[in-house]
Amino acid sequence: AQTVTQSQPEMSVQEAETVTLSCTYDTSESNYYLFWYKQPPSRQMILVIRQEAYKQQNATENRFSVNFQKAAKSFSLKISDSQLGDTAMYFCAFMNAGDYGGATNKLIFGTGTLLAVQP
Amino acid sequence: KAGVTQTPRYLIKTRGQQVTLSCSPISGHRSVSWYQQTPGQGLQFLFEYFSETQRNKGNFPGRFSGRQFSNSRSEMNVSTLELGDSALYLCASSLAPSGLPYEQYFGPGTRLTVT
Repeated sequence: AQTVTQSQPEMSVQEAETVTLSCTYDTSESNYYLFWYKQPPSRQMILVIRQEAYKQQNATENRFSVNFQKAAKSFSLKISDSQLGDTAMYFCAFMNAGDYGGATNKLIFGTGTLLAVQP
Repeated sequence: KAGVTQTPRYLIKTRGQQVTLSCSPISGHRSVSWYQQTPGQGLQFLFEYFSETQRNKGNFPGRFSGRQFSNSRSEMNVSTLELGDSALYLCASSLAPSGLPYEQYFGPGTRLTVT
């Protein structure tokens, strides 16, 4: 069974600074996807960034980037130039890509990291 | 394009009752997944439907069930409600299985309170 671990329940960062959220996972699968989702106080879950396990290059989306270490099963999220609107709960999630079209959309989530951006 | 919609947004029920929650996916999306979010257990996968068929099911008792209609809209039902069923129920839609890389879009959720 796959598991996702986020060891930082809460983090705080000053506006305009950089912060890194940690995530580790455990799986015996070789083909999978990893995601970071953001859940602001309004509660709507939003996809921040995604990484395909077969890609060695780290994904980047504007101020958000990941450090994907497949051998170490680590998938951290770096937020640069933090903004007040980044305040939210951040969830790391795993999805098994499956074989031969047998994939499903089941996401396995970590427990989340509550990020507070201070003015 | 309209996002995922869930109705109702808030619901209060009494122990022993049953409840039905509805989810309308993004237009063109054929996969709908359901998740339960609680402070104690976090986010847990309930089930996924694609083309009116259940593709995957999480580790929940048989009181939790769902279905999907030909227009991809989905409902989930919880019978004989227990206090522990109080949670935020999230629905997510996706193009899957042909969509890559299976990005899911979440609705705002239905907050269920069982008293």
